[in-house]
Amino acid sequence: AQSVTQPDIHITVSEGASLELRCNYSYGATPYLFWYVQSPGQGLQLLLKYFSGDTLVQGIKGFEAEFKRSQSSFNLRKPSVHWSDAAEYFCAVGSTGGFKTIFGAGTRLFVKA
Amino acid sequence: GAGVSQSPSNKVTEKGKDVELRCDPISGHTALYWYRQRLGQGLEFLIYFQGNSAPDKSGLPSDRFSAERTGESVSTLTIQRTQQEDSAVYLCASSSTVGGRETQYFGPGTRLLVL
Repeated sequence: AQSVTQPDIHITVSEGASLELRCNYSYGATPYLFWYVQSPGQGLQLLLKYFSGDTLVQGIKGFEAEFKRSQSSFNLRKPSVHWSDAAEYFCAVGSTGGFKTIFGAGTRLFVKA
Repeated sequence: GAGVSQSPSNKVTEKGKDVELRCDPISGHTALYWYRQRLGQGLEFLIYFQGNSAPDKSGLPSDRFSAERTGESVSTLTIQRTQQEDSAVYLCASSSTVGGRETQYFGPGTRLLVL
């Protein structure tokens, strides 16, 4: 069965520190992978997506994610976190046909000064 | 419009009543998606429209849920005989493909509370 696991319910990092949010998926075919961010004042936004090609994907707001087929992972990274990055982050996996997706439960990021 | 809009922004209804939620996508976007987010849970995909047709309805949770889209623009999500477990934020998104790259834009959501 298709599924997405985000092992960390919440993570706290210091402003300026690096960030890695974990995502593991279970999918029978070549997956389409997504990361979304949901901020209280801004709603839901697509950060980046992987369909094919280069396994290191660049997204908006300085985020990147790396697809590792051998580990069934698509971890999200940012080299230096800003206080405005505090939000909930969702990983999702989908099939061909666009954005029909299965979402993980989310990881809430807290940023401390 | 400048972005995806949804109405109403909030809806409180009594169990057993029908509700209709509306989504106005960005003009020219052919793909439209409905998602649901229940309190404390992640997002659930409900349905996807390409133009006026819905090639994928597999996410609709029950036959009480239906959706339509007319004229490659407005979409309505209808929930009949609402139940308390239908309480959630219902999100709509539309997308465009430019140069082979699809970008998705979300609306602010409709918060539905079934008493």
